[in-house]
Amino acid sequence: DIQMTQSPSTLSASVGDRVTITCRASQGISYWLAWYQQKPGEAPKLLISRASTLESGVPSRFSGSGSGTEFTLTISSLQPADFATYFCQHYNDYPFTFGPGTKVDVK
Amino acid sequence: EVQLVESGGGLVQPGGSVRLSCVASGFTFSNNGMDWVRQAPGKGPEWVSYISRSSSHIYYGDSVKGRFTVSRDNAKNSLFLQMDSLRAEDTAIYYCARDSNYGYMDVWGKGTKVTVSS
Repeated sequence: DIQMTQSPSTLSASVGDRVTITCRASQGISYWLAWYQQKPGEAPKLLISRASTLESGVPSRFSGSGSGTEFTLTISSLQPADFATYFCQHYNDYPFTFGPGTKVDVK
Repeated sequence: EVQLVESGGGLVQPGGSVRLSCVASGFTFSNNGMDWVRQAPGKGPEWVSYISRSSSHIYYGDSVKGRFTVSRDNAKNSLFLQMDSLRAEDTAIYYCARDSNYGYMDVWGKGTKVTVSS
């Protein structure tokens, strides 16, 4: 099975900061990676698919990049609504797996 | 509005069974594969199961294989998860999610909580 890791596990930042989260796969997954945002008490929300395709309605300050085994999610200018936990998920083959998450909190 | 609503969760004893349901609305249910994803307290999501549009392809995560059974009724816009031989480590919020048909989940329900405890 493909294992997903994320770094950092927690990121403390301020409104307006540029934020970068890294996701790594234990083996190559091409572009088959999605990013989700989750707020407390809510279900995950899809932000990005195919490593860099922004979901409709997601603000353009979010962007994704990478391929193979290393991927990044970037928030260009952090907004109050962006304080949340972010997960990556591979869908290269079954079983799909999620990363352990990166919590973005207030510095 | 596209919506998924889960039900059926609750407190169940170890070794027991429970059946989760998910009703879909706002889209043509038979056009999409569906997933179950669970999330234990304080943990990341864990993919549990996938069922294709016509139920011809079904996959399970290793931790539930042989104990959980996924099914769907396209006529009733419904997805099910039969959970048997439950263990404490199955305690989680269970989400029903629409599969994009590529493998990522583009619509999620609010989840139903399952607690396995004596």
